[in-house]
Amino acid sequence: NAGVMQNPRHLVRRRGQEARLRCSPMKGHSHVYWYRQLPEEGLKFMVYLQKENIIDESGMPKERFSAEFPKEGPSILRIQQVVRGDSAAYFCASSPGGKRETQYFGPGTRLLVL
Amino acid sequence: SQQGEEDPQALSIQEGENATMNCSYKTSINNLQWYRQNSGRGLVHLILIRSNEREKHSGRLRVTLDTSKKSSSLLITASRAADTASYFCATGSGGSYIPTFGRGTSLIVHP
Repeated sequence: NAGVMQNPRHLVRRRGQEARLRCSPMKGHSHVYWYRQLPEEGLKFMVYLQKENIIDESGMPKERFSAEFPKEGPSILRIQQVVRGDSAAYFCASSPGGKRETQYFGPGTRLLVL
Repeated sequence: SQQGEEDPQALSIQEGENATMNCSYKTSINNLQWYRQNSGRGLVHLILIRSNEREKHSGRLRVTLDTSKKSSSLLITASRAADTASYFCATGSGGSYIPTFGRGTSLIVHP
């Protein structure tokens, strides 16, 4: 049973470009969470999604950031017009439908904005 | 704001010694979890302890929870070089399943 998969593992973008981060949850998991981690910091919650629904986006910046989890395919975190401050590690986690306390994390995508 | 705060920020020990990390939090919780993160990797779940539990064990790991002091500790016994990692506590409270992470303790175990 493959774990949570994220790609790309590393992404370099210039200021103003778009960044697309993908997350495939563990098989059988229907809940996906996105977190951002700055150097020497803990993880900060961004958004919680179920299939085709955004459940909680209280941690998402109001502008430039969006997330989706379509019926088919991976969850996507999209950052438009990236700025240097967006440079961070972005982690995706998933959990089973009926037991959401424990989350299983992917290896992360490290975004560097030049 | 951060809910869990780990202490110490960094810990350096010799292989075979025990490592103790502490986590303090501010508000009432339903559960507290400990995660490990190796350098450049994702988080690995270690243990979940609920607010009505006082102690849990998993292999060389022992977690305690004192809700009156709003604190938890993670003890790693007979540490190994492979235990070198950052350790995070994450609290769950209210009806939310979104854990709130602290800044972590960086543990280095010297062979």
